[in-house]
Amino acid sequence: AQTVTQSQPEMSVQEAETVTLSCTYDTSESDYYLFWYKQPPSRQMILVIRQEAYKQQNATENRFSVNFQKAAKSFSLKISDSQLGDAAMYFCAYLNTNAGKSTFGDGTTLTVKP
Amino acid sequence: EAGVAQSPRYKIIEKRQSVAFWCNPISGHATLYWYQQILGQGPKLLIQFQNNGVVDDSQLPKDRFSAERLKGVDSTLKIQPAKLEDSAVYLCASSLYRGGSYEQYFGPGTRLTVT
Repeated sequence: AQTVTQSQPEMSVQEAETVTLSCTYDTSESDYYLFWYKQPPSRQMILVIRQEAYKQQNATENRFSVNFQKAAKSFSLKISDSQLGDAAMYFCAYLNTNAGKSTFGDGTTLTVKP
Repeated sequence: EAGVAQSPRYKIIEKRQSVAFWCNPISGHATLYWYQQILGQGPKLLIQFQNNGVVDDSQLPKDRFSAERLKGVDSTLKIQPAKLEDSAVYLCASSLYRGGSYEQYFGPGTRLTVT
């Protein structure tokens, strides 16, 4: 079974600074996607960034980028120029593309200090 | 494009009562997921539908939980009878799955409190 581990229950960052959230996963599959989702307090979960396992190039979306280390099964999220609106719970998720099965980590709560 | 709709948004019931949640996915999304999210934890997959067939229900407590997806569109999740430990937010998500980006679009969730 696939597992996703987020070892940092809480992180904090100063506004305008950079923070990195960690995620490791375990799978025997070769074809999968990895995601970071953001869940603001009392608001809906939304996608932050997506990485296809077959792509070596790390995904980037504006201030958000990932460091995908396939051999190490590591998938960290870097948030640059942190903003107050980035404060939320961040979930790392794995999806097996053969069956579409999805597994989430337990999340990291990010606090942004003004 | 309308998002994933869920109702009710909040529900309070006593233990041993029954409850049902409804989800309407984004039009055209073949895959529908129901998750249970306990406070402070990540979403746990309860059941996954592909059109109106079940792909994975290995973590669904089948003695008390049931779900259906009629005509491959709307879905309902039922709990009968509820236990205190069922207090959680129940999230519905949908995705295009194959041919798409595999991104899951989430509804606002239903917050269930069992007293």
